[in-house]
Amino acid sequence: GAVVSQHPSWVICKSGTSVKIECRSLDFQATTMFWYRQFPKQSLMLMATSNEGSKATYEQGVEKDKFLINHASLTLSTLTVTSAHPEDSSFYICSAQAEDEQYFGPGTRLTVT
Amino acid sequence: AQRVTQPEKLLSVFKGAPVELKCNYSYSGSPELFWYVQYSRQRLQLLLRHISRESIKGFTADLNKGETSFHLKKPFAQEEDSAMYYCALRGKAAGNKLTFGGGTRVLVKP
Repeated sequence: GAVVSQHPSWVICKSGTSVKIECRSLDFQATTMFWYRQFPKQSLMLMATSNEGSKATYEQGVEKDKFLINHASLTLSTLTVTSAHPEDSSFYICSAQAEDEQYFGPGTRLTVT
Repeated sequence: AQRVTQPEKLLSVFKGAPVELKCNYSYSGSPELFWYVQYSRQRLQLLLRHISRESIKGFTADLNKGETSFHLKKPFAQEEDSAMYYCALRGKAAGNKLTFGGGTRVLVKP
C-alpha cells in the first residue's frame, strides 16, 4: 500500500526559531499533498494544499508567510514554521494524494518553548 | 461551504453490542463521504467510502442524501474497534479537499 512518512516525528524548539517538517511519499508519486493541524482532542484542520511545482494554496486564516510550504518534487513536501511561538505547538499531519485517495503520514508533534 | 458534524464525542458500548456513529453533512452538490479511523498511536487510515458500498471490518455506512447523513454502523462491536473515528467529505467544488468532522471516540468495553 501507499506509505507516507514524516520527519521528525516530534520536535521541540525555542520561541522565535524556525522548524522544518518533511512529508514524503515512499512508494508513489504525489502531485498533491495536504497539510493539516490537529489540536488536542480536536479534529484535523486543513492548513494548505501543496502542489508540486507551484505555489501552495492556503486555507482562510492560515498565514502563508508563517507556514512556508515547498513541494519541490513528486515525493517530498516540506512545511516550515517560521518564527515559532508557543501557540504554534500542535500536531501537524500531512497526506499525499494517490489516484483517488489520500494517504496520511504519522504526524509531527511540535512543541515551542 | 462544506461542513461535517459528528454529534457524539464519545460512544461507549459493551462488546457484542451494536454501535452507530452519526455523521451529518452540508454541501451544495454531490459529495463523496468517507469514514476514517485512527487507532491508538497509529496514523489516520481510510475505513470506507460511500461509493464503494462495501463492508469493512463489519462496518457499513449508507449515504442518505435526503437526511444529508452518512452514519457508520456495526451490529456487533469488538474490543479492537476502540478507536477515534472521523467522518469526512470531499466535494469537487472545493478542489477535492477533505473536510473532517470533529471525530467520535469509540470505547468498546469487555
